[in-house]
Amino acid sequence: GDSVTQMEGPVTLSEEAFLTINCTYTATGYPSLFWYVQYPGEGLQLLLKATKADDKGSNKGFEATYRKETTSFHLEKGSVQVSDSAVYFCALSNSNYQLIWGAGTKLIIKP
Amino acid sequence: EAGVAQSPRYKIIEKRQSVAFWCNPISGHATLYWYQQILGQGPKLLIQFQNNGVVDDSQLPKDRFSAERLKGVDSTLKIQPAKLEDSAVYLCASSSFSHEQFFGPGTRLTVL
Repeated sequence: GDSVTQMEGPVTLSEEAFLTINCTYTATGYPSLFWYVQYPGEGLQLLLKATKADDKGSNKGFEATYRKETTSFHLEKGSVQVSDSAVYFCALSNSNYQLIWGAGTKLIIKP
Repeated sequence: EAGVAQSPRYKIIEKRQSVAFWCNPISGHATLYWYQQILGQGPKLLIQFQNNGVVDDSQLPKDRFSAERLKGVDSTLKIQPAKLEDSAVYLCASSSFSHEQFFGPGTRLTVL
């Protein structure tokens, strides 16, 4: 079945460091891919998405590129801030419009 | 446009009691989802509605959980009786014939 694997956390970085959170997927067909973010005590917010191969999703300085050849959708940001501390979830949407989730990666940014 | 609304935001109950959660999706969104998110884990889909019909409830523990969406708009999720392991955040999401889901703030349930 469809699945998503993302790097385990927590990931701890200093402010202004470069961020990469790895995400790979297994799916039949060509799913849409998403990154969601969950700030402490809050619900899930869509961070960015990509619907087809080679698409790049971007938002708030974060980027991820849909790589069909490596079945990956890694999240990157050039310079992280303390306010980026949150849990990040990679997900794909299957043909039934259901999200298949990764386990989440907790990001901690130290000033 | 207004987002997905959920209530209550927090609920504390004793085990074996019953509890109900309410969700009002974004106007016009035909698909509604209920998720259970246990601390430190990703969301687990409990049930998916399309209008007022159930698309998938394969992971809903039907001996104690029930959900309805009678008029194809708002929805209620009920747990009766609650167990300690039901302590979690219950998330509601909606979508409109697309793969993007919009989430409400969630209800944090604590079962003592």
